[in-house]
Amino acid sequence: IVLTQTPLSLPVTPGEPASISCRSSQSLSDSAYGTTYLDWYLLKPGQSPQLLIYALSNRASGVPDRFSGSGSGTDFTLRISRVEAEDVGVYYCMQRKEFPSVTFGGGTKVEIK
Amino acid sequence: QVQLVQSGGEVKKPGASVKVSCQASGYTFTNYGFSWVRQAPGQGLEWMGWITAYDGDTKYAQKFQGRVTLTTDTSTSTAYMELRSLRSDDTAMYYCARVGARPDYWGQGTLVAVSS
Repeated sequence: IVLTQTPLSLPVTPGEPASISCRSSQSLSDSAYGTTYLDWYLLKPGQSPQLLIYALSNRASGVPDRFSGSGSGTDFTLRISRVEAEDVGVYYCMQRKEFPSVTFGGGTKVEIK
Repeated sequence: QVQLVQSGGEVKKPGASVKVSCQASGYTFTNYGFSWVRQAPGQGLEWMGWITAYDGDTKYAQKFQGRVTLTTDTSTSTAYMELRSLRSDDTAMYYCARVGARPDYWGQGTLVAVSS
């Protein structure tokens, strides 16, 4: 399964919204279990990846509510309602439909204008 | 609290092997697995493989099959990743991550540099 993220780079203004797209080569939805095997991670400079969103739209513990995930099937979006300076880094979508094998999108670098 | 502490950075020559450790604490070790993920300079995240701490079952990415071995030691709550026949393009930051349904907690990363 191949994940394609756009854009590659996203300059943002603090306080403004931002969105990142992730497209999968196969559906990541599982109607039998009522879930979608798509998560989002953020890799901040000098830090380890941190889980932001799991199973399409569930915020991980401690993640601010300005982050939200949506989509279905093969098209997914991560939205930041109001970008803050601490949100800079590279965002990755990850699929785990073929668990335990996972694949990551190519990443989207978010930087402040 | 859950913590994954990885071993320190390594410098290796081409053709050598490297073994990175990941010591876990703050949870029941055998209830989870580990994925190993790397990031080469200027590149994205790349999944290498997974091991369950329960019974040592493994799954490797095809790219690394035959060159990587994942193990765990339940007596010390430590996971290991060994990569053999190192090449310059194996220079990367290597991360371990605890895996339940998904990678949730990550180690701090171990920089492996391969240079002659």
